[in-house]
Amino acid sequence: EVQLVESGGGLVQPGGSLRLSCAASGFTFRNYEMNWVRQAPGKGLEWLSYISLSGATIYYADSVKGRFTISRDNAKNSVHLQMDSLRAEDTAFYYCVRASTEVEGMFDYWGQGTLVTVSS
Amino acid sequence: EIVLTQSPATLSLSPGERATLSCRASQSVSRSLGWYQQRPGQAPRLLIYDASNRATGIPGRFSGSGSGTDFTLTITSLEPEDFAVYYCQHHDSWPPTWTFGQGTKVEIK
Repeated sequence: EVQLVESGGGLVQPGGSLRLSCAASGFTFRNYEMNWVRQAPGKGLEWLSYISLSGATIYYADSVKGRFTISRDNAKNSVHLQMDSLRAEDTAFYYCVRASTEVEGMFDYWGQGTLVTVSS
Repeated sequence: EIVLTQSPATLSLSPGERATLSCRASQSVSRSLGWYQQRPGQAPRLLIYDASNRATGIPGRFSGSGSGTDFTLTITSLEPEDFAVYYCQHHDSWPPTWTFGQGTKVEIK
């Protein structure tokens, strides 16, 4: 069974940092591109970042470019999101999301999310 | 940058009724469009890809149609578990972005 389990969320002050992690299991992690997507409470979905199989190719949404850094560890079946210079508007549930290998551009498995709250 | 606009924002229907949800793209996306369902308190799940193909395990009452800029998700007969929020999504190859519509909530009337 495919599982994506996020961790690392919590309360942080504006300007602070947080590192999210996603532990993957139930599939051959190194064969899948990964993403992070967030959802502010009661709001819609926003794609944040993509990382390729080896980690050599990375993309970010403009809203987080220069502040967030995605990385992966294929030996440990994990993907991470380092979030710096956090703002109140970064408050959201953060989902670790697997990219489908069968359909380009679609997300086939999502974690349950971890909540990040940016507040003083 | 492609913008996806979903309508209506909320759809109030009874179980057994037919639901028709719309997603309009600001420019042609061919058939490169997906639909996701998000039940309360849960993560989204992929329903439809390439505008009209059901994802693995998705019941036949869900169908998608459209191409270019106008797309529709139809649920032929609403089951209690179908009351949820539905999002459309498109992936642009360049610049590489993944865009979601703002969502349509299907609620019990």
